Amino acid sequence: QKEVEQDPGPLSVPEGAIVSLNCTYSNSAFQYFMWYRQYSRKGPELLMYTYSSGNKEDGRFTAQVDKSSKYISLFIRDSQPSDSATYLCAIAGTYKYIFGTGTRLKVLA
Amino acid sequence: GAGVSQSPSNKVTEKGKDVELRCDPISGHTALYWYRQRLGQGLEFLIYFQGNSAPDKSGLPSDRFSAERTGESVSTLTIQRTQQEDSAVYLCASEEASNTGELFFGEGSRLTVL
Repeated sequence: QKEVEQDPGPLSVPEGAIVSLNCTYSNSAFQYFMWYRQYSRKGPELLMYTYSSGNKEDGRFTAQVDKSSKYISLFIRDSQPSDSATYLCAIAGTYKYIFGTGTRLKVLA
Repeated sequence: GAGVSQSPSNKVTEKGKDVELRCDPISGHTALYWYRQRLGQGLEFLIYFQGNSAPDKSGLPSDRFSAERTGESVSTLTIQRTQQEDSAVYLCASEEASNTGELFFGEGSRLTVL
Protein backbone atom coordinates (compact mmCIF):
# COMPACT_ATOMS: atom_id res chain seq x y z
CA GLN A 1 0.00 0.00 0.00
CA LYS A 2 1.34 3.43 -0.94
CA GLU A 3 1.80 5.86 1.91
CA VAL A 4 -0.28 8.48 0.09
CA GLU A 5 -2.98 7.75 -2.47
CA GLN A 6 -4.31 10.40 -4.80
CA ASP A 7 -6.65 10.16 -7.77
CA PRO A 8 -4.58 11.24 -10.80
CA GLY A 9 -7.53 12.62 -12.73
CA PRO A 10 -7.60 14.38 -15.11
CA LEU A 11 -10.45 16.47 -13.81
CA SER A 12 -12.21 18.97 -16.10
CA VAL A 13 -14.64 21.49 -14.66
CA PRO A 14 -16.34 24.64 -15.98
CA GLU A 15 -15.22 28.02 -14.76
CA GLY A 16 -16.87 28.93 -11.46
CA ALA A 17 -17.30 25.34 -10.29
CA ILE A 18 -16.32 24.09 -6.86
CA VAL A 19 -13.45 21.62 -7.10
CA SER A 20 -12.74 18.89 -4.57
CA LEU A 21 -9.37 17.16 -4.55
CA ASN A 22 -8.64 14.32 -2.17
CA CYS A 23 -5.89 12.15 -0.73
CA THR A 24 -5.73 9.31 1.74
CA TYR A 25 -2.69 8.31 3.73
CA SER A 26 -1.82 5.21 5.67
CA ASN A 27 0.54 6.19 8.48
CA SER A 28 -0.94 8.08 11.41
CA ALA A 29 2.56 9.21 12.44
CA PHE A 30 2.41 11.91 9.79
CA GLN A 31 1.56 15.24 11.36
CA TYR A 32 1.91 17.85 8.64
CA PHE A 33 -0.29 18.13 5.58
CA MET A 34 0.30 20.26 2.55
CA TRP A 35 -1.06 20.97 -0.90
CA TYR A 36 1.29 22.00 -3.67
CA ARG A 37 0.35 23.34 -7.09
CA GLN A 38 2.47 22.55 -10.14
CA TYR A 39 2.05 24.33 -13.45
CA SER A 40 3.27 22.62 -16.58
CA ARG A 41 7.07 22.46 -16.79
CA LYS A 42 7.47 24.27 -13.46
CA GLY A 43 8.41 23.12 -9.98
CA PRO A 44 5.67 22.65 -7.39
CA GLU A 45 4.81 25.59 -5.13
CA LEU A 46 3.21 25.47 -1.70
CA LEU A 47 -0.48 26.34 -1.66
CA MET A 48 -1.70 25.30 1.79
CA TYR A 49 -0.09 23.93 4.95
CA THR A 50 -1.80 22.60 8.05
CA TYR A 51 -0.96 20.33 10.95
CA SER A 52 -4.30 19.89 12.68
CA SER A 53 -7.62 18.29 11.92
CA GLY A 54 -10.29 20.64 10.64
CA ASN A 55 -10.45 23.32 8.00
CA LYS A 56 -8.00 26.01 6.98
CA GLU A 57 -9.13 28.68 4.57
CA ASP A 58 -7.09 30.98 2.34
CA GLY A 59 -9.11 32.98 -0.15
CA ARG A 60 -10.80 30.60 -2.55
CA PHE A 61 -8.90 27.61 -1.17
CA THR A 62 -9.85 25.46 1.82
CA ALA A 63 -7.72 22.60 3.13
CA GLN A 64 -9.46 19.98 5.21
CA VAL A 65 -7.82 17.29 7.32
CA ASP A 66 -9.53 14.37 9.01
CA LYS A 67 -6.87 12.53 11.00
CA SER A 68 -9.29 9.88 12.25
CA SER A 69 -10.03 8.83 8.65
CA LYS A 70 -6.54 9.69 7.34
CA TYR A 71 -8.15 11.81 4.66
CA ILE A 72 -7.14 15.21 3.36
CA SER A 73 -8.97 17.44 0.91
CA LEU A 74 -8.52 20.67 -0.97
CA PHE A 75 -11.54 22.66 -2.06
CA ILE A 76 -11.34 25.40 -4.67
CA ARG A 77 -14.29 27.77 -4.86
CA ASP A 78 -15.18 29.80 -7.94
CA SER A 79 -12.53 27.99 -9.96
CA GLN A 80 -10.72 29.97 -12.64
CA PRO A 81 -8.86 28.90 -15.81
CA SER A 82 -5.67 30.04 -14.06
CA ASP A 83 -6.25 27.27 -11.51
CA SER A 84 -5.53 24.71 -14.25
CA ALA A 85 -2.53 22.82 -12.92
CA THR A 86 -1.55 19.61 -11.17
CA TYR A 87 -2.29 19.56 -7.45
CA LEU A 88 -0.12 17.39 -5.22
CA CYS A 89 -0.92 16.52 -1.66
CA ALA A 90 2.03 15.97 0.67
CA ILE A 91 2.40 14.61 4.15
CA ALA A 92 5.35 14.86 6.50
CA GLY A 93 6.44 13.43 9.82
CA THR A 94 9.98 14.42 10.59
CA TYR A 95 11.89 15.89 7.69
CA LYS A 96 10.66 13.54 5.00
CA TYR A 97 7.91 14.77 2.71
CA ILE A 98 5.82 12.14 0.92
CA PHE A 99 3.95 13.36 -2.15
CA GLY A 100 0.88 11.99 -3.85
CA THR A 101 0.90 11.36 -7.59
CA GLY A 102 -0.94 14.62 -8.23
CA THR A 103 -4.36 15.37 -9.72
CA ARG A 104 -4.40 17.19 -13.03
CA LEU A 105 -7.11 19.87 -13.06
CA LYS A 106 -8.39 21.75 -16.08
CA VAL A 107 -10.81 24.63 -15.61
CA LEU A 108 -12.64 25.42 -18.82
CA ALA A 109 -13.45 29.05 -19.66
CA GLY B 1 19.53 34.35 -6.00
CA ALA B 2 15.81 34.84 -5.58
CA GLY B 3 14.86 31.21 -6.00
CA VAL B 4 16.22 27.70 -6.40
CA SER B 5 18.21 27.42 -9.58
CA GLN B 6 18.81 24.16 -11.42
CA SER B 7 20.98 23.38 -14.40
CA PRO B 8 20.86 22.16 -17.04
CA SER B 9 17.15 22.66 -17.65
CA ASN B 10 17.25 19.99 -20.35
CA LYS B 11 19.73 17.21 -20.93
CA VAL B 12 19.65 14.58 -23.65
CA THR B 13 22.24 11.85 -23.30
CA GLU B 14 23.02 8.45 -24.64
CA LYS B 15 22.54 5.31 -22.62
CA GLY B 16 25.68 4.50 -20.64
CA LYS B 17 26.92 8.09 -20.29
CA ASP B 18 27.29 9.87 -16.95
CA VAL B 19 25.33 13.03 -16.20
CA GLU B 20 25.68 15.67 -13.52
CA LEU B 21 22.79 17.86 -12.41
CA ARG B 22 23.29 20.98 -10.35
CA CYS B 23 21.14 22.71 -7.77
CA ASP B 24 21.74 26.15 -6.30
CA PRO B 25 19.44 26.54 -3.26
CA ILE B 26 18.09 29.72 -1.74
CA SER B 27 20.80 31.37 0.32
CA GLY B 28 20.50 30.50 4.00
CA HIS B 29 18.32 27.44 3.48
CA THR B 30 19.80 24.60 5.48
CA ALA B 31 17.78 21.72 4.06
CA LEU B 32 18.01 20.49 0.49
CA TYR B 33 16.08 17.69 -1.24
CA TRP B 34 16.32 15.90 -4.56
CA TYR B 35 13.19 14.34 -6.05
CA ARG B 36 12.55 12.49 -9.28
CA GLN B 37 9.32 12.95 -11.21
CA ARG B 38 8.56 10.51 -13.98
CA LEU B 39 5.94 11.41 -16.56
CA GLY B 40 2.49 11.36 -15.01
CA GLN B 41 3.82 10.32 -11.62
CA GLY B 42 4.35 11.91 -8.25
CA LEU B 43 7.56 13.07 -6.70
CA GLU B 44 9.90 10.25 -5.70
CA PHE B 45 12.25 11.15 -2.83
CA LEU B 46 15.91 10.60 -3.62
CA ILE B 47 18.10 12.27 -1.00
CA TYR B 48 18.00 14.84 1.81
CA PHE B 49 20.74 17.11 3.14
CA GLN B 50 20.48 19.08 6.38
CA GLY B 51 23.37 21.36 7.23
CA ASN B 52 26.50 19.38 7.96
CA SER B 53 24.65 16.24 9.08
CA ALA B 54 25.03 12.96 7.22
CA PRO B 55 22.59 12.94 4.30
CA ASP B 56 19.61 10.61 4.10
CA LYS B 57 20.32 8.62 0.94
CA SER B 58 17.53 6.10 1.48
CA GLY B 59 15.68 7.10 -1.70
CA LEU B 60 18.53 6.66 -4.16
CA PRO B 61 17.35 3.88 -6.51
CA SER B 62 20.75 2.31 -7.19
CA ASP B 63 24.45 2.78 -6.64
CA ARG B 64 24.61 4.56 -10.00
CA PHE B 65 23.08 7.55 -8.25
CA SER B 66 25.06 9.78 -5.92
CA ALA B 67 24.77 13.33 -4.63
CA GLU B 68 26.97 15.79 -2.85
CA ARG B 69 26.47 19.04 -1.06
CA THR B 70 29.15 21.17 0.48
CA GLY B 71 27.89 22.87 3.62
CA GLU B 72 24.72 24.79 2.83
CA SER B 73 25.55 25.59 -0.74
CA VAL B 74 25.35 24.00 -4.16
CA SER B 75 24.42 20.34 -4.58
CA THR B 76 25.14 18.03 -7.49
CA LEU B 77 23.31 14.84 -8.38
CA THR B 78 25.33 12.42 -10.48
CA ILE B 79 23.92 9.52 -12.43
CA GLN B 80 26.50 7.10 -13.78
CA ARG B 81 25.99 4.77 -16.72
CA THR B 82 22.56 6.21 -17.45
CA GLN B 83 19.70 3.91 -18.44
CA GLN B 84 16.50 4.72 -20.31
CA GLU B 85 14.47 4.32 -17.12
CA ASP B 86 16.43 7.24 -15.64
CA SER B 87 14.55 9.57 -18.01
CA ALA B 88 12.58 11.94 -15.79
CA VAL B 89 12.51 15.43 -14.37
CA TYR B 90 14.88 15.81 -11.44
CA LEU B 91 13.63 18.42 -8.99
CA CYS B 92 15.64 20.09 -6.28
CA ALA B 93 14.04 21.85 -3.33
CA SER B 94 15.40 23.82 -0.43
CA GLU B 95 13.86 24.59 2.93
CA GLU B 96 14.77 27.25 5.45
CA ALA B 97 14.88 24.66 8.25
CA SER B 98 13.32 21.25 8.81
CA ASN B 99 9.56 20.86 9.08
CA THR B 100 8.54 24.32 7.95
CA GLY B 101 6.19 22.67 5.46
CA GLU B 102 7.40 24.90 2.67
CA LEU B 103 9.77 23.45 0.15
CA PHE B 104 10.96 25.85 -2.52
CA PHE B 105 11.42 23.96 -5.77
CA GLY B 106 13.52 24.73 -8.77
CA GLU B 107 12.09 24.25 -12.24
CA GLY B 108 13.82 20.92 -12.59
CA SER B 109 16.30 19.29 -14.92
CA ARG B 110 14.58 17.25 -17.62
CA LEU B 111 16.74 14.24 -18.45
CA THR B 112 16.18 12.14 -21.56
CA VAL B 113 18.26 9.03 -22.02
CA LEU B 114 18.22 7.69 -25.57
